[in-house]
This record gives sequence, structure tokens and C-alpha cells, in this order.
Amino acid sequence: KQEVTQIPAALSVPEGENLVLNCSFTDSAIYNLQWFRQDPGKGLTSLLLIQSSQREQTSGRLNASLDKSSGRSTLYIAASQPGDSATYLCAVAGGTSYGKLTFGQGTILTVHP
Amino acid sequence: GAGVSQTPSNKVTEKGKYVELRCDPISGHTALYWYRQSLGQGPEFLIYFQGTGAADDSGLPNDRFFAVRPEGSVSTLKIQRTERGDSAVYLCASSLRGTRDLLETQYFGPGTRLLVL
Repeated sequence: KQEVTQIPAALSVPEGENLVLNCSFTDSAIYNLQWFRQDPGKGLTSLLLIQSSQREQTSGRLNASLDKSSGRSTLYIAASQPGDSATYLCAVAGGTSYGKLTFGQGTILTVHP
Repeated sequence: GAGVSQTPSNKVTEKGKYVELRCDPISGHTALYWYRQSLGQGPEFLIYFQGTGAADDSGLPNDRFFAVRPEGSVSTLKIQRTERGDSAVYLCASSLRGTRDLLETQYFGPGTRLLVL
């Protein structure tokens, strides 16, 4: 059974700092890995999707890397802003059901001015 | 265009009652997914539809939970004899093809917050 773990559970940083969120998964047989953002009381917004054959994806100030063999991914946020404050969720798709995403428990990020 | 919508946004019910939660996917999306999110946790997969049929229902916790998508668009998640442990946010998502498309992402709705008293 796939298990996804995110570290740290919560992170508080001053505005402008670069930061890294970590995600690990137990079964390396994945199709892709996604990072989502969730704002309080809202649904999830997809930030980046990395195919299993890829090593990284970039979008603006966000960069996600994937090391499938070691079961790890990182989300790097450059020059953090208060508007980045949210919960960040990592999810993997794999196994016999490609429609099923397995999520980590999330990292709660607070960026203070 | 419109995103995934879910109704109601909040539902309070008493233990033992029956509830229905509705999901309207993005128009034209063939795949639809239901997840459940407890406080402080990530979403947990419940069921996935490809068109009208359930392609994977392995996440449904027990036979009190049932979902339908009769016309391949709107879906309803049905919970019988609700229990306090069913309290959670129920999230619905849709995707365009639902096939083994490595670039396909799921688009999530805002969720229905269910509270069982």
C-alpha cells in the first residue's frame, strides 16, 4: 500500500525567504507526482505535475523535483510572499488504478510580513 | 468556464440519517473522483468513475457508502445510517480523459463539509 509522508507538518518563515517542502513515498511505481495548494475552506489547486520519467518541473517561483528511485520529491518556493500562505499537499498516482491519488497529510505554510 | 461545483457546501445531520452529496464536474470531463478529507489530514480516495461506471471503488469504507453517475456527468455520493465518524469534508474532482495520461491533472471542487451530530 502506497504511503505518502510530508515534512515538516508546519513551517513559518519571514517574507522573502526561500524554502523547501519535502515529500516521500513508499512505492516507487508511480505514474506521476503532483503538488497541490489548499487555502482554508477551499478546494485543491494543482501547482505542478511531474511525470515519472521527469526529474523536475518549474512554474514561476515554484520548482518541484522528483527522485523516483529514492521515493522523494521536494517543492522549492523562491522569495516567499504572504500570499503563499496555505497548506501544500503532495500526491502520487500509481499502482493498478491510475485515477487514484494518494495524498500526504500536508505542510501548513505561513509567510509573515 | 465553470469549475467543479459541489452542493451543499455544508451539511449538518443527525446520527443515523441518510445524506446525499452532489458533484457537478467540469463540462466534458469523462472522469470523476470522490475523496474524503478529515481535519488535519490529506484527502483520502473513495471512488473513481470513468463515464457512468465506477472504475475503482476500493476506497469506499463500507457498504453504507455508495456513489452513482447515471448519465456520465453529475455524480451523487450517498451515505446511509450516518455515523459521527463520517464527519469530514467530501471533495469531488474531475479530469478530461481519466486514462493513463501522465500529464492529466484532477480539478477539485470546494468540497461539502459534513457534520454528523
